[in-house]
Amino acid sequence: KAGVTQTPRYLIKTRGQQVTLSCSPISGHRSVSWYQQTPGQGLQFLFEYFSETQRNKGNFPGRFSGRQFSNSRSEMNVSTLELGDSALYLCASSLRTGKEAEAFFGQGTRLTVV
Amino acid sequence: AQSVTQLGSHVSVSEGALVLLRCNYSSSVPPYLFWYVQYPNQGLQLLLKYTSAATLVKGINGFEAEFKKSETSFHLTKPSAHMSDAAEYFCAVRGLTGGGNKLTFGTGTQLKVEL
Repeated sequence: KAGVTQTPRYLIKTRGQQVTLSCSPISGHRSVSWYQQTPGQGLQFLFEYFSETQRNKGNFPGRFSGRQFSNSRSEMNVSTLELGDSALYLCASSLRTGKEAEAFFGQGTRLTVV
Repeated sequence: AQSVTQLGSHVSVSEGALVLLRCNYSSSVPPYLFWYVQYPNQGLQLLLKYTSAATLVKGINGFEAEFKKSETSFHLTKPSAHMSDAAEYFCAVRGLTGGGNKLTFGTGTQLKVEL
């Protein structure tokens, strides 16, 4: 059974550009969550989607957005990139939503903004 | 709001020695607690989870954790460290009703295993 797939693995962008990251969850999983990981702030929750609906959103500016498609694949977009957006972006998929739901993480996309 | 605190950003042990990584939680509702491991340039892998069924939870790779409500702790242990255990370990909590699948992570503990 294939795991969570994130593409691309590495990305270099220039300040002011925008970027789109992709996440394909485990087959059958309907919940996708996104996290940002930086040395200074650690792991921070961005947002969660379930059945194409955003269920929860973290404390990030509006430049960060996401969506989920009918096949559960998800994308996140960051517009007007800033140097501080350089981070490892992790996607997690879960079979269902709820406190006991196990989250399976992808390998992440390493974004570098120059 | 729920939160977890990991004491010790770096822990070093000898191969074969006991591993103890500390995690304390704060939650106004019964928490669901998780331990994840992250190897360099990789995502997070679930080691174990506490969901109130049993206070002593056994996970993968010989790790276990004990939920102690009186101490608000969920420390991770392994009797004998192996070189392959060197990685970063994160404690996480999920406890807010209606919060969906959001996980709140601790700041992580880097485990070093020495010969």
